[in-house]
Amino acid sequence: DTEVTQTPKHLVMGMTNKKSLKCEQHMGHRAMYWYKQKAKKPPELMFVYSYEKLSINESVPSRFSPECPNSSLLNLHLHALQPEDSALYLCASSQGQGQVTYGYTFGSGTRLTVV
Amino acid sequence: RKEVEQDPGPFNVPEGATVAFNCTYSNSASQSFFWYRQDCRKEPKLLMSVYSSGNEDGRFTAQLNRASQYISLLIRDSKLSDSATYLCVAAGNKLTFGGGTRVLVKP
Repeated sequence: DTEVTQTPKHLVMGMTNKKSLKCEQHMGHRAMYWYKQKAKKPPELMFVYSYEKLSINESVPSRFSPECPNSSLLNLHLHALQPEDSALYLCASSQGQGQVTYGYTFGSGTRLTVV
Repeated sequence: RKEVEQDPGPFNVPEGATVAFNCTYSNSASQSFFWYRQDCRKEPKLLMSVYSSGNEDGRFTAQLNRASQYISLLIRDSKLSDSATYLCVAAGNKLTFGGGTRVLVKP
C-alpha cells in the first residue's frame, strides 16, 4: 500500500460550520504533513507531525487545528473559516521528518470551498 | 528572495522536441532535491529525485549543481501527456516548493 488517502475529496462549508479533513497512510511513515494550495500557486506547508507529535506549525491561524490520533492518521479540524481559506488541502507523508530520500507521498487532496 | 525559484513559463514545446528548465535554491543546507509533476486540479506526484551525479529516467534527465545551487530538468522527445506544471522541491526537515514551471506540449 503506497497511498495516502484523503477524505472527503470535496467539501463545501459555511463560515460558522465545524468540519474535519482526514488523512490516512499505511506505509509505516512516521512524518505526516498538511499543505494548503491555492490556484496557480505551489503548496504551502501548514503543519508537520513527527512520531505523532506536532513538530512544525507555520504560524497557521487557530481556526485550523491539526490532530494526529496515531501514526497512520492525521486530521485537520476546521472552525469559523473564511472564504479566503478556500483551497486544495493536501496531506503528505514521508519515512521521517528529514528522511526524504524517497520524497513525500501526497494524497489526492480535499478541495475546500468556504461560503 | 524566495527559497526556491522557477521560471513560471509557460514553455510551449512542439511534440517530439526537447525542453529544459532550471530551478535555483537559496538554502545551502537543503539535503535532497526532487522534481514533482502536478496536473491541473490534481495532487503533486513525484517525478524523480535529483542527484549531483545526474540521473536519468527514460526521457527525463535531472541534474543538481550544488556549487551554483541550481537544479535542472530536461525532457526529451516530448509527449502531449508531458503537459503539466513541474515543481522543483528542496528538502531538509520539510519540503520547500518552487512556484512551478508550466509546460505545454503541442502537436
